[in-house]
Amino acid sequence: GESVGLHLPTLSVQEGDNSIINCAYSNSASDYFIWYKQESGKGPQFIIDIRSNMDKRQGQRVTVLLNKTVKHLSLQIAATQPGDSAVYFCAENNAGNMLTFGGGTRLMVKP
Amino acid sequence: KAGVTQTPRYLIKTRGQQVTLSCSPISGHRSVSWYQQTPGQGLQFLFEYFSETQRNKGNFPGRFSGRQFSNSRSEMNVSTLELGDSALYLCASSLDPEAATNEKLFFGSGTQLSVL
Repeated sequence: GESVGLHLPTLSVQEGDNSIINCAYSNSASDYFIWYKQESGKGPQFIIDIRSNMDKRQGQRVTVLLNKTVKHLSLQIAATQPGDSAVYFCAENNAGNMLTFGGGTRLMVKP
Repeated sequence: KAGVTQTPRYLIKTRGQQVTLSCSPISGHRSVSWYQQTPGQGLQFLFEYFSETQRNKGNFPGRFSGRQFSNSRSEMNVSTLELGDSALYLCASSLDPEAATNEKLFFGSGTQLSVL
């Protein structure tokens, strides 16, 4: 992923709509990818992961899509709720627990 | 089950001082990793410890060091603090990063370090 510095890209959605957060990763050799959610004052919280031998993985209200050809990840959140408001990070696993994080996207849910 | 615990929660230091941050992993977790989070650089990997040995190290100067104890608790130390070291320092633990199904990292809430 690429750092976007101080100004996080922001996605603003209406409560109940679906959200799609995108992420470009850098290392074509990475074989494990994770999405994290970080709320203000807290550490990143694991949402969902996917291995490179899969294209799609679904969880509860969340789906991760992996496109290895263009090194792109996306996180889809169905029926977005106010509690989903947070900063979302994608991360790629390089070795052990050495994760490379993307710059993050701020999701704002309007009631 | 208690989560990852980091102490202290907030810390204020002056340039040139040193600081030690503490992390207690989730019970049973043997791997501890440290990350630095700043608005400018985002989340960056510092180092990872497993069975009291540093297994991976990020691209940080030697002023940043760490260790892990036999009970898996970990500390990180930053010597000769600089203004740019102001950041949220996050600790994360996992069961065993070599296990194919147990690579999930669980993060603590972090220690917010301010260097004046």
